[in-house]
Amino acid sequence: SYELTQPLSVSVALGQTARITCGGNNIGSKNVHWYQQKPGQAPVLVIYRDSNRPSGIPERFSGSNSGNTATLTISRAQAGDEADYYCQVWDSSTWVFGGGTKLTVL
Amino acid sequence: EVQLVESGGGLVQPGGSLRLSCAASGFTFSSYEMNWVRQAPGKGLEWVSYISSSGSTIYYADSVKGRFTISRDNAKNSLYLQMNSLRAEDTAVYYCAREDRMVRGVMVSWGQGTLVTVSS
Repeated sequence: SYELTQPLSVSVALGQTARITCGGNNIGSKNVHWYQQKPGQAPVLVIYRDSNRPSGIPERFSGSNSGNTATLTISRAQAGDEADYYCQVWDSSTWVFGGGTKLTVL
Repeated sequence: EVQLVESGGGLVQPGGSLRLSCAASGFTFSSYEMNWVRQAPGKGLEWVSYISSSGSTIYYADSVKGRFTISRDNAKNSLYLQMNSLRAEDTAVYYCAREDRMVRGVMVSWGQGTLVTVSS
C-alpha cells in the first residue's frame, strides 16, 4: 500500500516562510492535496492538485510536487496558521493521508 | 452553503454496532461522491470508505473491510455508515466528506464529525 511521510513538527517565526514536506514513492506522478486542521475543528482543504488554492484560501498558501516530495509552503506565516497539516493522495482506489505535521508559529 | 451534519455517534461496547448518518444540504447530493474519514484521539486522519454518486461503486479501507458498510439515500440527501463488530481501535471522530466533481480524490467539504467510543 502507498505511504506518505510527513515531519511530525515544523516551526516558523512569525512573518517567515514555512515549508511542510510530504514524501512518497514517485509522488510527483500523483495529485497531492493538503488540509489544515485546527484543534477541535474539521479539516479544511487549502491546496488541491499539487498547487491550486480553493476560493477563500490566502495566496500565502502554495504547493509544489516533484519527484518523491510534495511541499506545502506558507509565506508570511501568521499566528492563525498554527495547525496540523495533512497531505493526501488517491492511489488505486484508496485515499491515503500522511501522518500530519504540527506547524508552530513562534 | 454546503452543509454536512453527522450524527449517530456514542458509546458502544466492543463487538457492538452503530449506524452513523450524514445529512447533506446546500448542494445536489446525488451528483457527488462521498467518503467517511476518521480520526482517533490525538492521531491523524484515516480514510474509511468511499461511495460513488449512484452508490454503485464502493471501497473500504482494509481496517474496516467486512465490518463496516457504507450506503446512501439520494432521495433523503443522506450518507450512512453501518459499523458492526466494533473494536477499541475504532474509537474516533468520524467525518463525512464530499469529493470534488472535477478532481478525483480530493475532499472539498467536511462535516464537523461525530465521536464514536468503543469501550466496556
